[in-house]
Order: sequence, then C-alpha cells, then structure tokens
Amino acid sequence: GAVVSQHPSRVICKSGTSVKIECRSLDFQATTMFWYRQFPKQSLMLMATSNEGSKATYEQGVEKDKFLINHASLTLSTLTVTSAHPEDSSFYICSAIQNPRDGPNYGYTFGSGTRLTVV
Amino acid sequence: GEDVEQSLFLSVREGDSSVINCTYTDSSSTYLYWYKQEPGAGLQLLTYIFSNMDMKQDQRLTVLLNKKDKHLSLRIADTQTGDSAIYFCALGQTGANNLFFGTGTRLTVIP
Repeated sequence: GAVVSQHPSRVICKSGTSVKIECRSLDFQATTMFWYRQFPKQSLMLMATSNEGSKATYEQGVEKDKFLINHASLTLSTLTVTSAHPEDSSFYICSAIQNPRDGPNYGYTFGSGTRLTVV
Repeated sequence: GEDVEQSLFLSVREGDSSVINCTYTDSSSTYLYWYKQEPGAGLQLLTYIFSNMDMKQDQRLTVLLNKKDKHLSLRIADTQTGDSAIYFCALGQTGANNLFFGTGTRLTVIP
C-alpha cells in the first residue's frame, strides 16, 4: 500500500533556530500534501495544503512566514519552522494524497509524525 | 466548515466490544473514515465508508452510518490491549482536498 515517510521523528532545537521536516511519498506520486499540527490531547489542526509546483495554501491563523512549505516534487514536501520558539513545540504530521477524486482508493496516507521540542 | 465531535475517553475490558461514536454537522461528506493513532505515531487508516452505505464490516471492525442523525460509529469486537489508542473519525468530500477530523477518542483497554 501507499507509504509516506516523515523525517525526523523527533527533534530538539534551541529557540531561534530553524527546523526542516521532510515528508516523502515512497511508492506513489502525491499531487497534494497536507501538514497538520497536533497539540497534546487534541485533534489535528490543518496548517496548510501544498500542491506540487505551486505555493501552499495556509489555513487562517497560520503564519506563512514562520511555517515555510515547499512542495518541489511529486514525492517530497518540506515544512520549515523558522525562528522556532517554545510555543512551536508540538507534534507535526504530514499526509499525502495521490488524487483527491479517487477518494479512499488512493486515500490520505499519513506520515509517522515529528515531535518538535524547542528549548 | 464541518464540526465533528467525539467523546474524549472510553474504557473497556479486554474481550468486550468497544463502540466509538462520532457526530457531524455537514451532510455533504462523501467519505467517512476511521483512523487509529498509537502513542507518538502518525495516523493509520482502519476503515472507511461511503455516504451511500449504512454499514460496513471488516473483520473485528463494524462501521455504522446513520445519515439522518449524522452519526457514525465504530465497533471493535473482542477488544484487545493492542487496540488501546486514539481513534479519529474524519469526513471528506469527492474532489475536495481536506479532511475534517473529530476530536479523537482515547480508548483504554483494561486487561
């Protein structure tokens, strides 16, 4: 089945530095990738939707200059948390879909998540 | 947007059945999913149902959809300790990109 690889799984960084998280679709081409943020004991919050070769669409309240998303190829999207602060500490999850019109047949496949801790 | 609600916690004894419920507000959803999230991990698709179906069974999992009441449920038969996790319902539409997630239900299986 479809596999999405997300790296790193865990990262600790100092306040003020930037962190890049990668999301790769291993055995399919992902036309669209999504980035979610999950707070403790809470559901997933969609941060942005990225389509290959175009600018990401950010959800309301998500700072595009802070959370840089690059979907440079059909198999790779990256999320860069710039000038990270402790309040950015969270669990970030990506998901990818091959073709939205195919629905669950090529459904939303999730990465394993990245635990970001900013100290 | 869609409001999707779930109970936050559910505890069951090993071997019993678990029923996780999900209510939603927008009736235009085409696909309704159930995902499982184990601690520190991403989401694993368990099963899904089309909006034109009432019931779907897949081994120990049974999904029931009541469109009139906008209610979706997931029944896990013979619940095992390995089923302990957070379960999310999610709703999607044909041609639309985003999924709307429920708040998640933390299932605890007591040995």
